[in-house]
Amino acid sequence: DAKTTQPTSMDCAEGRAANLPCNHSTISGNEYVYWYRQIHSQGPQYIIHGLKNNETNEMASLIITEDRKSSTLILPHATLRDTAVYYCIVIRKQGGSEKLVFGKGMKLTVNP
Amino acid sequence: GAGVSQSPRYKVAKRGQDVALRCDPISGHVSLFWYQQALGQGPEFLTYFQNEAQLDKSGLPSDRFFAERPEGSVSTLKIQRTQQEDSAVYLCASSPLQGLLNYGYTFGSGTRLTVV
Repeated sequence: DAKTTQPTSMDCAEGRAANLPCNHSTISGNEYVYWYRQIHSQGPQYIIHGLKNNETNEMASLIITEDRKSSTLILPHATLRDTAVYYCIVIRKQGGSEKLVFGKGMKLTVNP
Repeated sequence: GAGVSQSPRYKVAKRGQDVALRCDPISGHVSLFWYQQALGQGPEFLTYFQNEAQLDKSGLPSDRFFAERPEGSVSTLKIQRTQQEDSAVYLCASSPLQGLLNYGYTFGSGTRLTVV
């Protein structure tokens, strides 16, 4: 599975949009981009995933570049509860047995 | 239950002691994963079950680590003769068989193991 590169950390003001970048320049055509986050003392939480098209759900939006070499997770109105470590993962679907490879992720701190 | 439940939440073990960590997945979830998370690192894959079958144990760090899921629901991760390097948070995740296709895996809050 392709490796990903994320900044180590990022700060964001409460109420503003948080744009979290991820580079995955070696991604293959059949690999998906997944985002998880981990709030302190909790297990990782699924946020969103995509293949080529931009995606939006109740939590966030995912923007994938046309060449698929990078993506951005957007939290439209960040709250203090969004402070967490965010993981960008690239993975090929295998029908339910996929091993998530997390990396170190990026620490997002939302400030009041 | 509503989510993945892990017990105990915290465990302190003396070096050399055996420990057993329990995972109650969401009812009906076919897939079950164990991950190990060292301090300051992302979770790392240990092993995967599909129902009662352990299909992948490539991430288990040594033969002191053993996992089972005898009836295809509750799973136990056992660590024999614990060492200090085993200190970590052990996370369990479950999903329907096609879970990753649609909405990813559901993780428990983990068991924090400290070996002293």
